Amino acid sequence: DSGVTQTPKHLITATGQRVTLRCSPRSGDLSVYWYQQSLDQGLQFLIQYYNGEERAKGNILERFSAQQFPDLHSELNLSSLELGDSALYFCASSVGTGGQPQHFGDGTRLSIL
Amino acid sequence: AQRVTQPEKLLSVFKGAPVELKCNYSYSGSPELFWYVQYSRQRLQLLLRHISRESIKGFTADLNKGETSFHLKKPFAQEEDSAMYYCALSGGSNYKLTFGKGTLLTVNP
Repeated sequence: DSGVTQTPKHLITATGQRVTLRCSPRSGDLSVYWYQQSLDQGLQFLIQYYNGEERAKGNILERFSAQQFPDLHSELNLSSLELGDSALYFCASSVGTGGQPQHFGDGTRLSIL
Repeated sequence: AQRVTQPEKLLSVFKGAPVELKCNYSYSGSPELFWYVQYSRQRLQLLLRHISRESIKGFTADLNKGETSFHLKKPFAQEEDSAMYYCALSGGSNYKLTFGKGTLLTVNP
């Protein structure tokens, strides 16, 4: 499957902890986007990377950070976790940065206890 | 600022009836509009983009700049159309997607 893959599918942890979510983009895609989906806020854009460099930032908390590696996979790091961080985190990828359709992964469901 | 509004959280129709999912946007420049669909237990996937002016699975959407709308329409709904539909806007220099809150469409037999 050459689509967007995200690991893990589910993550359960406690408040104050730190987790790393991983995303491998579609083959050939250089841009990776991270989104947070929660019941009250809907789908919110967090951050975008293009070919290893940060391209755009959305409503991303300072406790969160991301990076894109030379092999183009990306990781989203969430630290000092709070109950309100419980959400579905989606990764998407696209070929470039200019309005091409984004292809989404299945998401990682993060539950904070 | 970019904003997408989908006024209906839930929409229920009968099989064979026409369906229209509303989407209004706010953006000062020339936006790119998309419809994404999420079927039960599946990932979010692109359904339509306005620049393609295509019909996918019988759905069409026309960008109306005067009314700042991009409503999704299908003349005869099918049960397999039941899903969550998201309208999204891309614009500006960073091309991030701004999503609406989504409309859950249920097509009853």
